[in-house]
Amino acid sequence: NAGVTQTPKFRILKIGQSMTLQCTQDMNHNYMYWYRQDPGMGLKLIYYSVGAGITDKGEVPNGYNVSRSTTEDFPLRLELAAPSQTSVYFCASQTGKKANYGYTFGSGTRLTVV
Amino acid sequence: QKEVEQDPGPLSVPEGAIVSLNCTYSNSAFQYFMWYRQYSRKGPELLMYTYSSGNKEDGRFTAQVDKSSKYISLFIRDSQPSDSATYLCAMSPMNYGGSQGNLIFGKGTKLSVKP
Repeated sequence: NAGVTQTPKFRILKIGQSMTLQCTQDMNHNYMYWYRQDPGMGLKLIYYSVGAGITDKGEVPNGYNVSRSTTEDFPLRLELAAPSQTSVYFCASQTGKKANYGYTFGSGTRLTVV
Repeated sequence: QKEVEQDPGPLSVPEGAIVSLNCTYSNSAFQYFMWYRQYSRKGPELLMYTYSSGNKEDGRFTAQVDKSSKYISLFIRDSQPSDSATYLCAMSPMNYGGSQGNLIFGKGTKLSVKP
Protein backbone atom coordinates (compact mmCIF):
# COMPACT_ATOMS: atom_id res chain seq x y z
CA ASN A 1 0.00 0.00 0.00
CA ALA A 2 1.55 3.30 -1.11
CA GLY A 3 -0.62 5.48 1.17
CA VAL A 4 -0.28 9.17 0.28
CA THR A 5 2.22 9.98 -2.47
CA GLN A 6 3.50 13.49 -3.12
CA THR A 7 5.56 14.67 -6.06
CA PRO A 8 7.96 16.30 -6.50
CA LYS A 9 9.97 15.96 -3.26
CA PHE A 10 11.96 19.13 -3.92
CA ARG A 11 11.53 22.10 -6.23
CA ILE A 12 13.08 25.50 -6.72
CA LEU A 13 10.87 28.09 -8.41
CA LYS A 14 11.61 31.58 -9.58
CA ILE A 15 9.36 34.44 -8.48
CA GLY A 16 6.32 34.61 -10.75
CA GLN A 17 6.52 31.02 -11.96
CA SER A 18 3.70 28.55 -11.47
CA MET A 19 3.64 24.90 -10.55
CA THR A 20 1.41 22.08 -9.43
CA LEU A 21 2.15 19.92 -6.42
CA GLN A 22 0.75 16.45 -6.97
CA CYS A 23 -0.92 14.34 -4.29
CA THR A 24 -2.51 10.94 -4.75
CA GLN A 25 -3.82 8.39 -2.26
CA ASP A 26 -4.77 4.76 -2.77
CA MET A 27 -6.80 4.21 0.43
CA ASN A 28 -10.15 5.39 -0.97
CA HIS A 29 -10.23 8.16 1.62
CA ASN A 30 -12.94 10.78 1.24
CA TYR A 31 -11.17 13.65 2.98
CA MET A 32 -7.95 15.19 1.72
CA TYR A 33 -5.94 18.17 2.95
CA TRP A 34 -3.08 20.44 2.00
CA TYR A 35 -0.90 21.92 4.74
CA ARG A 36 2.17 24.06 4.75
CA GLN A 37 4.73 23.83 7.53
CA ASP A 38 7.14 26.64 8.29
CA PRO A 39 9.84 26.43 11.00
CA GLY A 40 8.34 27.12 14.41
CA MET A 41 4.90 27.79 12.94
CA GLY A 42 3.30 24.36 12.92
CA LEU A 43 0.94 23.04 10.27
CA LYS A 44 -1.35 25.54 8.58
CA LEU A 45 -4.30 24.30 6.53
CA ILE A 46 -4.39 25.66 2.97
CA TYR A 47 -7.32 23.81 1.38
CA TYR A 48 -9.30 20.68 2.05
CA SER A 49 -11.78 18.45 0.26
CA VAL A 50 -14.51 16.21 1.64
CA GLY A 51 -14.97 14.33 -1.63
CA ALA A 52 -14.61 14.48 -5.39
CA GLY A 53 -15.85 17.81 -6.75
CA ILE A 54 -15.95 19.49 -3.31
CA THR A 55 -13.20 21.76 -2.01
CA ASP A 56 -13.03 24.50 0.60
CA LYS A 57 -10.56 27.05 1.92
CA GLY A 58 -8.53 26.54 5.04
CA GLU A 59 -6.59 29.04 7.11
CA VAL A 60 -4.11 30.28 4.47
CA PRO A 61 -5.59 29.81 0.95
CA ASN A 62 -4.30 32.99 -0.73
CA GLY A 63 -1.99 32.30 -3.66
CA TYR A 64 -3.14 28.68 -4.04
CA ASN A 65 -5.81 26.74 -5.88
CA VAL A 66 -6.99 23.14 -5.74
CA SER A 67 -9.21 20.76 -7.62
CA ARG A 68 -10.62 17.31 -6.78
CA SER A 69 -11.83 15.58 -9.90
CA THR A 70 -11.27 12.06 -8.50
CA THR A 71 -11.23 10.48 -5.05
CA GLU A 72 -7.53 9.64 -5.45
CA ASP A 73 -6.02 12.95 -6.58
CA PHE A 74 -5.86 16.37 -4.93
CA PRO A 75 -3.36 18.64 -6.72
CA LEU A 76 -2.32 22.02 -5.31
CA ARG A 77 -1.64 24.80 -7.79
CA LEU A 78 0.65 27.75 -7.07
CA GLU A 79 0.14 30.70 -9.37
CA LEU A 80 2.70 33.53 -9.53
CA ALA A 81 5.03 32.07 -6.90
CA ALA A 82 6.28 34.45 -4.19
CA PRO A 83 9.14 34.07 -1.65
CA SER A 84 6.48 33.85 1.10
CA GLN A 85 5.43 30.51 -0.39
CA THR A 86 8.80 28.96 0.44
CA SER A 87 7.77 26.13 2.76
CA VAL A 88 7.31 22.40 3.15
CA TYR A 89 3.95 21.26 1.82
CA PHE A 90 2.18 18.19 3.15
CA CYS A 91 -0.81 16.44 1.70
CA ALA A 92 -2.93 14.29 4.01
CA SER A 93 -6.00 12.12 3.76
CA GLN A 94 -8.55 10.70 6.19
CA THR A 95 -11.29 8.15 5.81
CA GLY A 96 -13.83 10.70 6.99
CA LYS A 97 -15.71 8.13 8.98
CA LYS A 98 -13.86 8.08 12.29
CA ALA A 99 -11.41 10.60 13.68
CA ASN A 100 -9.46 7.89 15.51
CA TYR A 101 -8.10 6.70 12.20
CA GLY A 102 -6.23 10.00 12.08
CA TYR A 103 -4.72 11.69 9.09
CA THR A 104 -2.26 9.87 6.83
CA PHE A 105 0.39 12.28 5.62
CA GLY A 106 2.60 12.19 2.56
CA SER A 107 6.34 12.71 2.86
CA GLY A 108 6.14 16.34 1.78
CA THR A 109 7.32 18.66 -0.99
CA ARG A 110 10.08 21.09 -0.07
CA LEU A 111 9.58 24.25 -2.14
CA THR A 112 11.94 27.20 -2.39
CA VAL A 113 10.95 30.36 -4.27
CA VAL A 114 13.87 32.59 -5.26
CA GLN B 1 -5.19 33.23 23.02
CA LYS B 2 -4.41 30.67 20.34
CA GLU B 3 -6.69 27.64 20.14
CA VAL B 4 -3.86 25.20 20.84
CA GLU B 5 -0.63 26.08 22.64
CA GLN B 6 2.43 23.84 22.66
CA ASP B 7 5.92 24.64 23.90
CA PRO B 8 8.24 24.28 20.88
CA GLY B 9 11.24 23.27 22.98
CA PRO B 10 13.75 22.05 22.05
CA LEU B 11 13.74 19.46 24.80
CA SER B 12 16.89 17.40 25.37
CA VAL B 13 16.93 14.41 27.72
CA PRO B 14 19.30 11.50 28.42
CA GLU B 15 18.41 8.02 27.25
CA GLY B 16 16.12 6.25 29.72
CA ALA B 17 14.50 9.44 31.03
CA ILE B 18 10.76 9.96 31.33
CA VAL B 19 9.59 12.61 28.90
CA SER B 20 6.51 14.78 29.41
CA LEU B 21 5.07 16.70 26.47
CA ASN B 22 2.08 18.99 26.91
CA CYS B 23 -0.53 21.08 25.13
CA THR B 24 -3.16 23.45 26.38
CA TYR B 25 -6.25 24.46 24.48
CA SER B 26 -9.05 26.99 24.75
CA ASN B 27 -11.95 25.43 22.81
CA SER B 28 -14.10 23.45 25.24
CA ALA B 29 -15.78 21.72 22.28
CA PHE B 30 -12.68 19.63 21.53
CA GLN B 31 -13.47 15.95 22.11
CA TYR B 32 -10.82 14.07 20.12
CA PHE B 33 -7.15 14.38 20.97
CA MET B 34 -4.18 13.01 19.11
CA TRP B 35 -0.41 12.99 19.17
CA TYR B 36 1.61 12.85 15.99
CA ARG B 37 5.32 12.10 15.70
CA GLN B 38 7.33 13.70 12.93
CA TYR B 39 10.85 12.60 12.14
CA SER B 40 13.16 15.04 10.38
CA ARG B 41 12.23 15.55 6.72
CA LYS B 42 9.22 13.21 7.01
CA GLY B 43 5.48 13.68 7.27
CA PRO B 44 3.73 13.42 10.66
CA GLU B 45 2.44 9.99 11.68
CA LEU B 46 -0.33 9.24 14.16
CA LEU B 47 1.08 8.03 17.47
CA MET B 48 -1.78 8.10 19.98
CA TYR B 49 -5.48 8.88 19.96
CA THR B 50 -7.82 9.54 22.90
CA TYR B 51 -11.46 10.48 23.16
CA SER B 52 -12.64 12.87 25.89
CA SER B 53 -10.91 12.67 29.29
CA GLY B 54 -8.75 9.91 30.72
CA ASN B 55 -5.59 7.97 30.05
CA LYS B 56 -4.52 5.69 27.25
CA GLU B 57 -1.40 3.56 27.29
CA ASP B 58 0.47 1.98 24.37
CA GLY B 59 3.79 0.41 25.24
CA ARG B 60 6.13 3.14 26.50
CA PHE B 61 3.66 5.90 25.57
CA THR B 62 0.82 7.24 27.72
CA ALA B 63 -1.60 9.95 26.63
CA GLN B 64 -3.59 11.90 29.22
CA VAL B 65 -6.48 14.28 28.74
CA ASP B 66 -7.77 16.61 31.45
CA LYS B 67 -10.74 18.39 29.94
CA SER B 68 -11.47 20.35 33.12
CA SER B 69 -8.07 22.01 32.81
CA LYS B 70 -8.01 21.94 28.99
CA TYR B 71 -4.65 20.20 29.17
CA ILE B 72 -3.29 17.13 27.40
CA SER B 73 -0.04 15.28 27.94
CA LEU B 74 2.09 12.62 26.30
CA PHE B 75 4.49 10.67 28.50
CA ILE B 76 7.33 8.60 27.11
CA ARG B 77 8.90 6.10 29.50
CA ASP B 78 12.43 4.72 29.08
CA SER B 79 13.07 7.17 26.25
CA GLN B 80 15.30 6.00 23.41
CA PRO B 81 17.39 7.90 20.84
CA SER B 82 14.91 6.63 18.25
CA ASP B 83 12.24 8.75 19.99
CA SER B 84 14.07 11.89 18.84
CA ALA B 85 11.51 13.70 16.71
CA THR B 86 9.03 16.56 16.78
CA TYR B 87 5.78 15.72 18.58
CA LEU B 88 2.62 17.55 17.54
CA CYS B 89 -0.62 17.52 19.46
CA ALA B 90 -3.85 17.76 17.48
CA MET B 91 -7.49 18.01 18.44
CA SER B 92 -10.96 18.25 16.96
CA PRO B 93 -14.53 18.72 18.17
CA MET B 94 -15.97 16.11 15.88
CA ASN B 95 -15.51 12.50 14.94
CA TYR B 96 -14.58 13.25 11.37
CA GLY B 97 -12.78 15.85 9.35
CA GLY B 98 -14.13 18.52 7.07
CA SER B 99 -15.58 21.91 7.93
CA GLN B 100 -15.78 22.23 11.73
CA GLY B 101 -14.19 18.84 12.28
CA ASN B 102 -10.74 19.54 10.85
CA LEU B 103 -7.85 18.83 13.17
CA ILE B 104 -6.22 21.80 14.91
CA PHE B 105 -2.50 21.20 15.40
CA GLY B 106 -0.08 22.52 17.99
CA LYS B 107 3.21 23.89 16.69
CA GLY B 108 5.13 20.82 17.84
CA THR B 109 7.81 20.13 20.47
CA LYS B 110 11.22 19.05 19.23
CA LEU B 111 12.61 16.23 21.39
CA SER B 112 16.18 14.98 21.40
CA VAL B 113 17.11 11.86 23.38
CA LYS B 114 20.87 11.62 23.92
CA PRO B 115 22.56 8.20 24.18
